[in-house]
Amino acid sequence: EIVLTQSPATLSLSPGERATLSCRASQSVSSYLAWYQQKPGQAPRLLISDASNRATGIPARFSGSGSGTDFTLTISSLEPEDFAVYYCQQRGNWYTFGQGTKLDIK
Amino acid sequence: EVQLVETGGGLIQPGGSLRLSCAASGFTVSSSYMSWVRQAPGKGLEWVSVFYIGGSIYYADSVKGRFTISRDNSKNTLHLQMDSLRAEDTAVYYCARGVTRYYFDNWGQGTLVTVSS
Repeated sequence: EIVLTQSPATLSLSPGERATLSCRASQSVSSYLAWYQQKPGQAPRLLISDASNRATGIPARFSGSGSGTDFTLTISSLEPEDFAVYYCQQRGNWYTFGQGTKLDIK
Repeated sequence: EVQLVETGGGLIQPGGSLRLSCAASGFTVSSSYMSWVRQAPGKGLEWVSVFYIGGSIYYADSVKGRFTISRDNSKNTLHLQMDSLRAEDTAVYYCARGVTRYYFDNWGQGTLVTVSS
């Protein structure tokens, strides 16, 4: 099983700041990596697929990068609605998720 | 508009059975990769099972032999039959649609399953 490790576990930032979230895979997943956003009491929402492709309707301030084992989700300038938990997910070898990064307001 | 509505959750005793349903609209389940993903209270996401377009079915090791995924094309609905339930199966169960076999593009609102005596 491919293990995804996200860091940091919690990220405290202010609106307008840049957020950088990391996801590391225990073995290469090529570019088969997605990012999801989940707000309290809501279902996850797909943000990024294939490591860098924004899903339909996702604002341009969200961007993804990386390949192989190291991936990054960047939010260029945080909006109040961006404070949530973010998960990465791979489909190189079945489906696994990272443990999540909680982005909260500083 | 794509919509997924899960039903069937509830409180069940250990060893019991429950059947979840996911009613889909705005697309056809037979032309999508349909999955169940669960989330234990306060925890992360765990993939449970997937029904491929071509009919192949796969399960996570944690539920293999106890859960059965099925698809009713005439009703555009996905099901998850859960038998021999354990306390560790307690979670919100989400139905998710994949346009490809790699990701989960759309999600339902989830249904809570609580396994407890």
